[in-house]
Amino acid sequence: AQTVTQSQPEMSVQEAETVTLSCTYDTSESDYYLFWYKQPPSRQMILVIRQEAYKQQNATENRFSVNFQKAAKSFSLKISDSQLGDAAMYFCALYDSGYALNFGKGTSLLVTP
Amino acid sequence: DAGVTQSPTHLIKTRGQQVTLRCSPKSGHDTVSWYQQALGQGPQFIFQYYEEEERQRGNFPDRFSGHQFPNYSSELNVNALLLGDSALYLCASSLPGTGYEQYFGPGTRLTVT
Repeated sequence: AQTVTQSQPEMSVQEAETVTLSCTYDTSESDYYLFWYKQPPSRQMILVIRQEAYKQQNATENRFSVNFQKAAKSFSLKISDSQLGDAAMYFCALYDSGYALNFGKGTSLLVTP
Repeated sequence: DAGVTQSPTHLIKTRGQQVTLRCSPKSGHDTVSWYQQALGQGPQFIFQYYEEEERQRGNFPDRFSGHQFPNYSSELNVNALLLGDSALYLCASSLPGTGYEQYFGPGTRLTVT
């Protein structure tokens, strides 16, 4: 069975600093996708970044980048130059052989001025 | 281009009642998935509809049922509501062949008293 684990319930970062959120996963599939979603208090789940397992290069989207370690089944999100608007719940998610996204329990990110 | 829409935004029901939640997918999307997000948890997959059929189901009882209409919109029905059904219900849509790329609606907050 697929599992996604986020071991940091809460993280805090100062504005303009860098923070890294951790995620580990388990799957028996060789072909899969990994995602980071952001969920602000408005509840809308917003896709931040996607990584295809077959790609060796780490995905980047502006201030957001990932460190994908396939052998270790690790998928961390780095947010650079943190902004107040980055404060939200962040969910790591896995999509492999089925049709469902499997989510971790989330990490609450607090950004302080 | 309208994104995924859901109605109602929130509602309150009494234990034992039945509820229907609605979802309209993003333009061009033909697949709809439903997720339940309990407070403080990540979303859990309920089921997915494609071509008006339930294609896959998560670990949810038969009290949870759904429907997809010819225009691809979808309904989630929950019978015999329990207090534990209180949650945010998220709908996500995707294009054919790109099930990994799911776009989420704002959700419906259900409270069962």
